[in-house]
Amino acid sequence: ETGVTQSPTHLIKTRGQQVTLRCSSQSGHNTVSWYQQALGQGPQFIFQYYREEENGRGNFPPRFSGLQFPNYSSELNVNALELDDSALYLCASSADRASNYGYTFGSGTRLTVV
Amino acid sequence: SQQGEEDPQALSIQEGENATMNCSYKTSINNLQWYRQNSGRGLVHLILIRSNEREKHSGRLRVTLDTSKKSSSLLITASRAADTASYFCATHSSGNTPLVFGKGTRLSVIA
Repeated sequence: ETGVTQSPTHLIKTRGQQVTLRCSSQSGHNTVSWYQQALGQGPQFIFQYYREEENGRGNFPPRFSGLQFPNYSSELNVNALELDDSALYLCASSADRASNYGYTFGSGTRLTVV
Repeated sequence: SQQGEEDPQALSIQEGENATMNCSYKTSINNLQWYRQNSGRGLVHLILIRSNEREKHSGRLRVTLDTSKKSSSLLITASRAADTASYFCATHSSGNTPLVFGKGTRLSVIA
């Protein structure tokens, strides 16, 4: 049984650029959630995907978008990067949408926007 | 937005002592979960307690839940240096809503 894998681990982008972050979910999990974590803060919910459909979205602008694929892996895309987008981006997979069994997190992608 | 709020924000104890962290939340919940995060990396699920439960144990961890006060506590007994990390509570409110995290407690265990 594999855990959640995120790539890349670190990334430096210039303001205005676009970025794609990737996540492979744990075997048997059909739900993927993305979180943004600023330094010293708790994770903030971006959105969740369940069986390739968006299943909820937090208070993030439309330039944050996502996809989930048939194998339940997922991408987070951010357009027109801003300096405040610098953060740790966390992907978590779960066996259901209702958080009844806890989330399995990846190690995160550290994005720096300069 | 943050649902849970942990207290204290930071805690420093000696190895072997017990560490207690508290979490308060605002709306009714289906379950409450505690996670650990080492050095800004991924979060690790520690324990889940459902709204109809009052106490759960897992190894050196003890979690209590008081739904009337909308609060939970995490007790780590006989702490070790390896317990040094940030600890977050996360609440699941209802239906298919996502987990909402607090700001965390930074625990330092000094050998």
